[in-house]
Amino acid sequence: AQSVTQLDSQVPVFEEAPVELRCNYSSSVSVYLFWYVQYPNQGLQLLLKYLSGSTLVKGINGFEAEFNKSQTSFHLRKPSVHISDTAEYFCAVSEPGGSYIPTFGRGTSLIVHP
Amino acid sequence: DAGVIQSPRHEVTEMGQEVTLRCKPISGHNSLFWYRQTMMRGLELLIYFNNNVPIDDSGMPEDRFSAKMPNASFSTLKIQPSEPRDSAVYFCASSLEYSGGGYEQYFGPGTRLTVT
Repeated sequence: AQSVTQLDSQVPVFEEAPVELRCNYSSSVSVYLFWYVQYPNQGLQLLLKYLSGSTLVKGINGFEAEFNKSQTSFHLRKPSVHISDTAEYFCAVSEPGGSYIPTFGRGTSLIVHP
Repeated sequence: DAGVIQSPRHEVTEMGQEVTLRCKPISGHNSLFWYRQTMMRGLELLIYFNNNVPIDDSGMPEDRFSAKMPNASFSTLKIQPSEPRDSAVYFCASSLEYSGGGYEQYFGPGTRLTVT
């Protein structure tokens, strides 16, 4: 069975600083990986996804993530954050050819200070 | 496309009352998910439909919860009777599933349920 661990429940950072949100997964087969963002009082929306191919994936709002199969990780990065990036970020994994149901992590709250 | 539509956006009800949450998925999507989100438990999958058929309802907390999808463009989640511990934000999400595995989900804005 697949599982997702987001190692940090909260990440405070100053505006214009770089940030990395960590995500590790466990699965016995190949995976699809996703990062979603949830702004206050809104639903989740897709930031980026890894299905196959290049391990470096670029998403919206300047975010990118790198799939590392040996480390079973899919960390999310942004070189310079803005106040507007303050939100909850969720990592998710699903198994192609198996259960279509994605497994979500508990989320990481990114708090950007001025 | 208008995205996933949920109604109502907010619901306040008294314990023991019946609550019905509604969802209209994105046209053309063939899978629909109901989630519940609380501070304590995070995002929990309640039930998953594929082509209008319930595939996995193992996340439904108890018999007070029921969900239906009478057609491809409408689903309901019903709680009867409601209890204060059901207070949460309920999300509906839809996706297009096909051979090769699941793709990304599109979430609605959620229904914030408060049971007093």
